[in-house]
Formats: sequence, C-alpha cells, structure tokens
Amino acid sequence: AQSVTQLDSQVPVFEEAPVELRCNYSSSVSVYLFWYVQYPNQGLQLLLKYLSGSTLVKGINGFEAEFNKSQTSFHLRKPSVHISDTAEYFCAVGSGGYQKVTFGIGTKLQVIP
Amino acid sequence: NAGVTQTPKFRILKIGQSMTLQCTQDMNHNYMYWYRQDPGMGLKLIYYSVGAGITDKGEVPNGYNVSRSTTEDFPLRLELAAPSQTSVYFCASSLSYNSPLHFGNGTRLTVT
Repeated sequence: AQSVTQLDSQVPVFEEAPVELRCNYSSSVSVYLFWYVQYPNQGLQLLLKYLSGSTLVKGINGFEAEFNKSQTSFHLRKPSVHISDTAEYFCAVGSGGYQKVTFGIGTKLQVIP
Repeated sequence: NAGVTQTPKFRILKIGQSMTLQCTQDMNHNYMYWYRQDPGMGLKLIYYSVGAGITDKGEVPNGYNVSRSTTEDFPLRLELAAPSQTSVYFCASSLSYNSPLHFGNGTRLTVT
C-alpha cells in the first residue's frame, strides 16, 4: 500500500517570499512522485515529476522539489512567490506496474500582496 | 489537441436517478482514470483502465460503473444516485503507468 501526507492544509505567504510545501509518502516499493497545481474551477496540471535520477527536480513556473529517499519526502519549493501562484497544490505518489496514483489532501497556497 | 474532454460541466440529479459522465481523450493514451474530489479529501480513485476492454476498481468504486470499448472513451455511470455522490468528478489519462496524468476540467455533480 502507498500513502501521501501533506502536512499543511493552508499556507499563507507574502508576495516575493520563499515557500515550501511539505509532502511525505510511504511505499514498500520504488516510487514515482508528482506535484500538481489546481486553479479554481479547473482540473489539475502537472508542476513537476520525479521518476528516477537526479533528486532535485525542476518544474514549471519556477517551482522545484527534492526527492529524499531516507526521509521519504518530496517537498515543493519556490524562492519567490507571485500572486498568480495562489492555488491548491497536490502531491501524488505512484508505484508498481499499474499506475494507481495516490493523492494527498492538498495544500492551499495563499499569496498575500 | 483538445486533451481530455468531460461533459457535462454541471449536473443536478434527484436521489435515485441515473446518469453517465462522459470522458474522451485524443492523445491515444492507454491509461484512463476517474477520480472524485471532495473538499479537504484530495482525489479518490473510482475506476481505472489500462486499455480498451480492461477496467478495474479503485478506492471508492461502490455506486459506479465504467466501460472502455475504445481507446478514446471512458464513461462513468452512476446508478441510483445518492447524496453521498455529490462531488466534483475528474477524468484523466496517461501514456503509460508512470507518466503524468492529463486531467479534464471536471464535472460538478449535486444529488438532492
């Protein structure tokens, strides 16, 4: 079985400040990890993914995440946020031959002007 | 490319009615999924398919049915709608088992 924990349901941050959204996972086999973003009344869009290789993954809109196998974490970071980053962010983990991706409950990022 | 298209966008059902949520993709993806999203609960997998003619249950399949007769289409059927099925439903597709998911814009369903 696999699971994902997003430790913060809401994260307020001032514009141009850095942000970290936390994600921890559990799985007994090799995993692949994703971060998705959801803007209001829209579907989810891929921010970045980790399949293998370099543990630092860069995504769209200046976001990056680091895969830490020993801490089973995949935290999302951005050095300077913009108002347009206000959205809900979902961490997701998949494992095994059939992609049954498990999503976290989401973290709402609120960027304050 | 249109990507993943879901219809309808909104629907209100009375308890006990049935309906089909439509999903089609034009990316020739083998894998397709149905998720429901409830506030504070993330996304829960209802059913998924790894190719035409093959479907399997996800975490929360009760009260739903699916079929996959073509690569492009993956409709979700609700029989005997219940208030607990009030949710936002997302269809998604992916190229292979560890590829990112491509999502539709969702169907907001209310059962009263």
